[in-house]
Amino acid sequence: DSGVTQTPKHLITATGQRVTLRCSPRSGDLSVYWYQQSLDQGLQFLIQYYNGEERAKGNILERFSAQQFPDLHSELNLSSLELGDSALYFCASSVLTGDTEAFFGQGTRLTVV
Amino acid sequence: DQQVKQNSPSLSVQEGRISILNCDYTNSMFDYFLWYKKYPAEGPTFLISISSIKDKNEDGRFTVFLNKSAKHLSLHIVPSQPGDSAVYFCAASSNTGKLLFGQGTTLQVKP
Repeated sequence: DSGVTQTPKHLITATGQRVTLRCSPRSGDLSVYWYQQSLDQGLQFLIQYYNGEERAKGNILERFSAQQFPDLHSELNLSSLELGDSALYFCASSVLTGDTEAFFGQGTRLTVV
Repeated sequence: DQQVKQNSPSLSVQEGRISILNCDYTNSMFDYFLWYKKYPAEGPTFLISISSIKDKNEDGRFTVFLNKSAKHLSLHIVPSQPGDSAVYFCAASSNTGKLLFGQGTTLQVKP
């Protein structure tokens, strides 16, 4: 158990809909990362937050947004969903940003039908 | 723009032998490198890391080597065990905040 909790574990929704994925980081971790893994491909970096503020952005679509709340949990919002958005979405947390290992949650499997 | 690359999608070794997984990177700003192991339907698990000021870090059966001039790192597993069979990802980070991953290498250790 990494200490990072992601909910829900599975999500099935229709095209055009909006969903919210939630991540609770390890106790004491200030940094949260979001990744997308499609079809057993690599982990695509989406976005990182550090202590409530956006720190780095990767290949995140404009239809996607995220935030980190004062209690440090984070949410990834995916809107106007398309079939191609079906993927595993992972959240990871770390104490700092850079020079430190990140610990991953179990992921949320999103299926868009 | 793939800044972290694992060019071998798969590797098969015999139990007890050495497994060598390779990773190349393009961004000289990376200053911290990590290896993760992933089983199907689970999140990646941190294995070992190395700072750019070092060229080797060892933890039990796992050793990571860093060659900064070649922008290359490798993970050695000795001896390999069947339980090591998984997908291995290398990752690199800098103080910009991005933690970028390679495409992964599937390791199969045969009994």
